[in-house]
Amino acid sequence: AQSVTQPDIHITVSEGASLELRCNYSYGATPYLFWYVQSPGQGLQLLLKYFSGDTLVQGIKGFEAEFKRSQSSFNLRKPSVHWSDAAEYFCAGGVLTGGGNKLTFGTGTQLKVEL
Amino acid sequence: DGGITQSPKYLFRKEGQNVTLSCEQNLNHDAMYWYRQDPGQGLRLIYYSQIVNDFQKGDIAEGYSVSREKKESFPLTVTSAQKNPTAFYLCASSIQGMSSYEQYFGPGTRLTVT
Repeated sequence: AQSVTQPDIHITVSEGASLELRCNYSYGATPYLFWYVQSPGQGLQLLLKYFSGDTLVQGIKGFEAEFKRSQSSFNLRKPSVHWSDAAEYFCAGGVLTGGGNKLTFGTGTQLKVEL
Repeated sequence: DGGITQSPKYLFRKEGQNVTLSCEQNLNHDAMYWYRQDPGQGLRLIYYSQIVNDFQKGDIAEGYSVSREKKESFPLTVTSAQKNPTAFYLCASSIQGMSSYEQYFGPGTRLTVT
């Protein structure tokens, strides 16, 4: 079955420290992969996406993610976290089929930033 | 500005009542989706529609119904058959096809049923 796993439910980092949020996927073929961010009570905002090509993708707000086929991972990174990055982060994946562009979401990682 | 509108932001209903959540988009997207979000469970797909007058069940369609009479609109009805309707509901849309796969989300509607 297709799945996306985010092993960390909560992560706390100090402002200015580096960040890495983990995402693992299980698909028969190489999926399309996304990272979204959600502030409390809000919708989801797309941070970045991987379709093919370069395995290191750059996104908005200084985020980047690296696709590693050998590890089935698509981890999100940021060199220096700002207090405003505190939010919930979701990894999502999908494969294009005749059934449309359906995505499978991970359960999310809640990021807390300590000042 | 193009985007997705969901109304209302907060909705309260008594148990046993049907309730309809609105979702409108002006992005000219072909596909629209409804998700349910519960704490610790991520997003779960309720229904999706790739084209007007056509829609498919997602992973948790029981107790929900939808319609897609216009490209811009994809309302979701939470029926009295849904056993645990209190949740945060998110609507999304996307362009069909491989060129733009990502989904764009509305601000959500929080439904509370008592």
